[in-house]
Amino acid sequence: GAGVSQSPSNKVTEKGKDVELRCDPISGHTALYWYRQSLGQGLEFLIYFQGNSAPDKSGLPSDRFSAERTGGSVSTLTIQRTQQEDSAVYLCASSPEVLGSKNIQYFGAGTRLSVL
Amino acid sequence: DAKTTQPPSMDCAEGRAANLPCNHSTISGNEYVYWYRQIHSQGPQYIIHGLKNNETNEMASLIITEDRKSSTLILPHATLRDTAVYYCIVRVASSGGSNYKLTFGKGTLLTVNP
Repeated sequence: GAGVSQSPSNKVTEKGKDVELRCDPISGHTALYWYRQSLGQGLEFLIYFQGNSAPDKSGLPSDRFSAERTGGSVSTLTIQRTQQEDSAVYLCASSPEVLGSKNIQYFGAGTRLSVL
Repeated sequence: DAKTTQPPSMDCAEGRAANLPCNHSTISGNEYVYWYRQIHSQGPQYIIHGLKNNETNEMASLIITEDRKSSTLILPHATLRDTAVYYCIVRVASSGGSNYKLTFGKGTLLTVNP
């Protein structure tokens, strides 16, 4: 079946503009995660969705970042008033189970965001 | 989650076994060892995980020492496509808390040479 799909694959924007990044998780996966990977760095957790529960937003770096997940499927990560330090690869992952040892996360290819 | 230590880079000849070590000396009894890899310009890919028994799947084998303070990921016949950064992650697998987060370190860059 199809894997996690992210769009666009690349996004170039000007400082101060808003951007929206989209994630289509694997069908049937209940959990969805957003991570950020800056150049040469490890992955940084941003936000997590599980069903109808309130999302864990503890990793969002500022109030310019927000995310929603509609209908328990597609998710959109929005960055308002982008700054140059927002430049990174934004990765989305989904998993069929949340807890237990089988919480295996499947990642998309990411969206490379460049803020000029 | 326990911290892990991996060598920054390793080389391996194509067709030979690649053995990637990971130290996790502060691992707790309820923490699993997970391995992911990230090929250039792609998202991370799950490889294998285990608690204390050795594990094998179609991609790799995972050998965990008896004291669980270290482990080795084995790619039995490395190919050029296995060139990637390999991440060793230890994580609690229980209900509650924020155990769903994956914390990636710097990993090991494995370069498979022809």
